[in-house]
Amino acid sequence: GQQLNQSPQSMFIQEGEDVSMNCTSSSIFNTWLWYKQDPGEGPVLLIALYKAGELTSNGRLTAQFGITRKDSFLNISASIPSDVGIYFCAGQLRINDMRFGAGTRLTVKP
Amino acid sequence: DVKVTQSSRYLVKRTGEKVFLECVQDMDHENMFWYRQDPGLGLRLIYFSYDVKMKEKGDIPEGYSVSREKKERFSLILESASTNQTSMYLCASSLDTGNQPQHFGDGTRLSIL
Repeated sequence: GQQLNQSPQSMFIQEGEDVSMNCTSSSIFNTWLWYKQDPGEGPVLLIALYKAGELTSNGRLTAQFGITRKDSFLNISASIPSDVGIYFCAGQLRINDMRFGAGTRLTVKP
Repeated sequence: DVKVTQSSRYLVKRTGEKVFLECVQDMDHENMFWYRQDPGLGLRLIYFSYDVKMKEKGDIPEGYSVSREKKERFSLILESASTNQTSMYLCASSLDTGNQPQHFGDGTRLSIL
């Protein structure tokens, strides 16, 4: 099935810097989700967005559901070493129809 | 917190073997899912179940079957394992109200020799 376009593929940043990543699609979704996956682990839910235009924060993380329902972004402020990992976006239209981005691999240099 | 538990973190099997991957969730979720995750291909849905004994094929069901005899448990079965089924397998579950997010287990890294 059609996967989402997630960018950038990877980021190398200094500790303390802010990070921004986004996902776009040619299809609309009812829900946008952001997950983080550490090596050898399963994805962990960070933020769930349910309405177009919704802006939601979880600590240093902020995510928005695009007005067109075809995109979403995730910002991380003041990055720390434990932010290292792969971040995935996911768009959900129905219960059994969830599409994933390819992931953004984040490296934080102390 | 939601807890999705996969029975094995690492598994090594031989070609032709019948392989069982088990997943249990403790939040009384109606929906359960099996995905495989491969580099460059992302997560792909194998099978989905929305109730006990109910199942639907996902994007890549060939070579797999599933079993859901109890609400909390969803099993993925490789009928005759092949080397192209070497992958990371992820189980997930979700509530059946609205578009509730899926919660994932830690994955099973399966190698077929």
